[in-house]
Amino acid sequence: AQTVTQSQPEMSVQEAETVTLSCTYDTSENNYYLFWYKQPPSRQMILVIRQEAYKQQNATENRFSVNFQKAAKSFSLKISDSQLGDTAMYFCAFVTTQGGSEKLVFGKGTKLTVNP
Amino acid sequence: DTAVSQTPKYLVTQMGNDKSIKCEQNLGHDTMYWYKQDSKKFLKIMFSYNNKELIINETVPNRFSPKSPDKAHLNLHINSLELGDSAVYFCASRHGTNYGYTFGSGTRLTVV
Repeated sequence: AQTVTQSQPEMSVQEAETVTLSCTYDTSENNYYLFWYKQPPSRQMILVIRQEAYKQQNATENRFSVNFQKAAKSFSLKISDSQLGDTAMYFCAFVTTQGGSEKLVFGKGTKLTVNP
Repeated sequence: DTAVSQTPKYLVTQMGNDKSIKCEQNLGHDTMYWYKQDSKKFLKIMFSYNNKELIINETVPNRFSPKSPDKAHLNLHINSLELGDSAVYFCASRHGTNYGYTFGSGTRLTVV
């Protein structure tokens, strides 16, 4: 089964500090895409960062970066210089084509609170 | 300028009613989806369509019927609503091999 596990239901961090959100996944495929989505209280799903599995270089987007360990099937998100606006649910997800049809599979999310 | 738009944003209805949620995307994407987010925030796929053709039907009750009149629209009709149908429903779209999904702002459905 294709699964995504986020082991931290909730986390908190002080403003301006760094926080890392964990994610592991299980797939038998070799080529796939991994994502982190942010869902603030407005409930909009916002793509934070994307990683292609065939790329060894870790993706970065401004203050957001990932640590992609393909052999360990780990895909953690690091947020540097945390800001109050980073308070949100964060979902790890990957695209699987198992069964011949592609779909985005999500973890259960990590609720991040940035404290002033 | 909205890329993926859903209507309505909020829907409160009584058990047993029939309701529809509409979704439109102006991105020219080929594939559209419906996802359900339950009370614990877990997101799970319900349906996907590619160029008006049903691709995925993820063990969703027959009371849920998606309809795609054209590539830019994917509507969700729900018959005989039940309390357990209360959730946030997200429409999303994706273009070709670009796996960057774009989500609508969601429809919060409350069945009373």
